[in-house]
Amino acid sequence: EAGVTQFPSHSVIEKGQTVTLRCDPISGHDNLYWYRRVMGKEIKFLLHFVKESKQDESGMPNNRFLAERTGGTYSTLKVQPAELEDSGVYFCASSQVRGRYNEQFFGPGTRLTVL
Amino acid sequence: DAKTTQPTSMDCAEGRAANLPCNHSTISGNEYVYWYRQIHSQGPQYIIHGLKNNETNEMASLIITEDRKSSTLILPHATLRDTAVYYCIVRIRTDSWGKLQFGAGTQVVVTP
Repeated sequence: EAGVTQFPSHSVIEKGQTVTLRCDPISGHDNLYWYRRVMGKEIKFLLHFVKESKQDESGMPNNRFLAERTGGTYSTLKVQPAELEDSGVYFCASSQVRGRYNEQFFGPGTRLTVL
Repeated sequence: DAKTTQPTSMDCAEGRAANLPCNHSTISGNEYVYWYRQIHSQGPQYIIHGLKNNETNEMASLIITEDRKSSTLILPHATLRDTAVYYCIVRIRTDSWGKLQFGAGTQVVVTP
C-alpha cells in the first residue's frame, strides 16, 4: 500500500512568488492534515480536512495560505505571496475517520525555502 | 488538550532498553496518550497510544501510571535506527479525530 506522498520534495522560491504544495493521502483516508515546522520551532498544525470539508483551520497563519481538497482526494496548499518566514518543512498526514487507533500517517514533507 | 513535559534529550546504548518519560499531570479522563517519533529528514511516525492500560506492539511498550499523570515509552532493544526525536502527545477523542499538538519532544541518541 502506498503511503502519503508529497510533491515537490524541495522548493526554492523568491519572496513574493507563489508556491503550491501537493499532498496525496493514503487511499480511503478521509482525514487529511497539514503541519509545518519552521526553522528552530516545533511542528505546528495548520489545517484538517474531512473529505473535502475544512474541519479545523485554526492553525493557518494568515490569508496568504490557501488549502484545498477538491473531490476529497489530494490536497494542495498554496502560499501567495511567499514571505521569508514561510521557509520550513511542510508535512501532510492522513488517517481514517473511523478507526480504533486513528494513526496519522505522515508524508516525507516538502522543504520550502523562500529567498 | 493537556500539556506534556518531556526531558530535552537522553542517550541510550545500542541493545539496551530505552525508557522515555512523559508527564501529563492535567490529563482528563477522555484524553489518550500518543507517542510519535521523527527520524531526521522524515515525517513523524506513529509508535503507540493508550488510554489507561499498558500497551505493547511490535515497536514499543507504553506504561501509564494508575493516576494517568505520567507515562513511559519503552523501546526494549534500542538500535541505531531508533535515534530520533520522540513526542509524547495527549489527545482528546472526537468523532473525526483532530490535530496532533507536538511539543519539543525528547532527542534520543542511540550509541554503539
